[in-house]
This record gives sequence, structure tokens and C-alpha cells, in this order.
Amino acid sequence: GNSVTQMEGPVTLSEEAFLTINCTYTATGYPSLFWYVQYPGEGLQLLLKATKADDKGSNKGFEATYRKETTSFHLEKGSVQVSDSAVYFCALRRGNTPLVFGKGTRLSVIA
Amino acid sequence: EAEVAQSPRYKITEKSQAVAFWCDPISGHATLYWYRQILGQGPELLVQFQDESVVDDSQLPKDRFSAERLKGVDSTLKIQPAELGDSAMYLCASSLAYRSTKNTEAFFGQGTRLTVV
Repeated sequence: GNSVTQMEGPVTLSEEAFLTINCTYTATGYPSLFWYVQYPGEGLQLLLKATKADDKGSNKGFEATYRKETTSFHLEKGSVQVSDSAVYFCALRRGNTPLVFGKGTRLSVIA
Repeated sequence: EAEVAQSPRYKITEKSQAVAFWCDPISGHATLYWYRQILGQGPELLVQFQDESVVDDSQLPKDRFSAERLKGVDSTLKIQPAELGDSAMYLCASSLAYRSTKNTEAFFGQGTRLTVV
């Protein structure tokens, strides 16, 4: 079945550091890939998405590229801020199926 | 901006009691999902509706959980009786279409945090 594996956290970075959160997936066909962010006590917000191979999703300084050859969708940001502290979820959706999520990676950014 | 509305935000209930959660999806969204998120884990699907019909409830513990979307708009998720292990965040999400070739994303509500004591 479809599944998502993302790096375990927590990840602790200093402000302005470079961020990478790894995500790989297993799926049949050509899924769409997503990154969602969850702030404390809140629901999930879509951060970015990519719907086909080699697409790059970007938003708020975050980027991720859909790599079919490595079945990956790693999240990156060049300079993190304290306000980026949250839990990040990688997810996929294949056709009509519901979103399948990874376990989440907690990011803490310290000033 | 349109949002998915959920209530209540927080609920504390004693085990063996009944509890219900409500969700109002974004207007025009035919597909509605209920997810459960245990602390420290990713959301897991409980049930998916297309309009008023259930299309996937394979992970719903049907001995105690029930879900309905009678008019194909808002939805209610019920647990009876609640158990200690049901403590979690219950998230509702909606998306535009079921049979979409665009793999459209789901929009989430703020969730209901359930604590069973």
C-alpha cells in the first residue's frame, strides 16, 4: 500500500540555519505529494504541494522537489525563524484515496 | 477565507460516556474526512464521505464509533462508550471532489482535542 517515511525528530536549529527534513514515499502510479505544518494545538495547514515528477512546490521560503527516481520529497528552507517551530508532515494522495501521512517531524528553532 | 469548522475545540469526558464531534466543511466540498491523531503521530483516516455516502470506513472501530453526514454537508462523529485509548485529536478535513484528476489537497479544521479520564 501507499506509505510515507520521514525523518524522526525532534530537529533543533538556531535561527537562520538551513533546514532539511527528509521524506520518502512508497506508492503505485503517480501520487501527489504534500507538506503540511501543524502549530501547537492547531489543525494542519497545507504548506506546499507538487503534483508530478520534477515539480517544485514552494511557499513562505520552504521548498520541496518531487523526485520520482529517488521517491523523495525533502523539505528545505534556507534560513529558519523562531516562528517556523512546528510539526511538519509529509503526505501523499494517489487518485481518489485519502491523504496518507508520515509520522511528523518536530522542528524547534531557537533564537 | 473559507474554513473547515469543528466543535468543540476541547472535550473532556469520562470513560464509558458518549461523546460527539461536529464538522462543517468548506462550502461546495463534496468529500469529507475524519482523521484521528494520537499525540506524537501523524493523522490516520477513520472515515471518508463522498456527499452523504461513506466511501471508506475500513479503519473505523465500528463497535464504538459512528459517523454520519445526513445531508451531504456537515458531519458528526460519535464515540460510545469512550475508552481511555480514545484520547486524541480528531481532525476533520474536506476537499473539492472525489473523482478528481488533479489530486486536490484537503483542508483541515482546527480539530477537537478529546481527553478521556
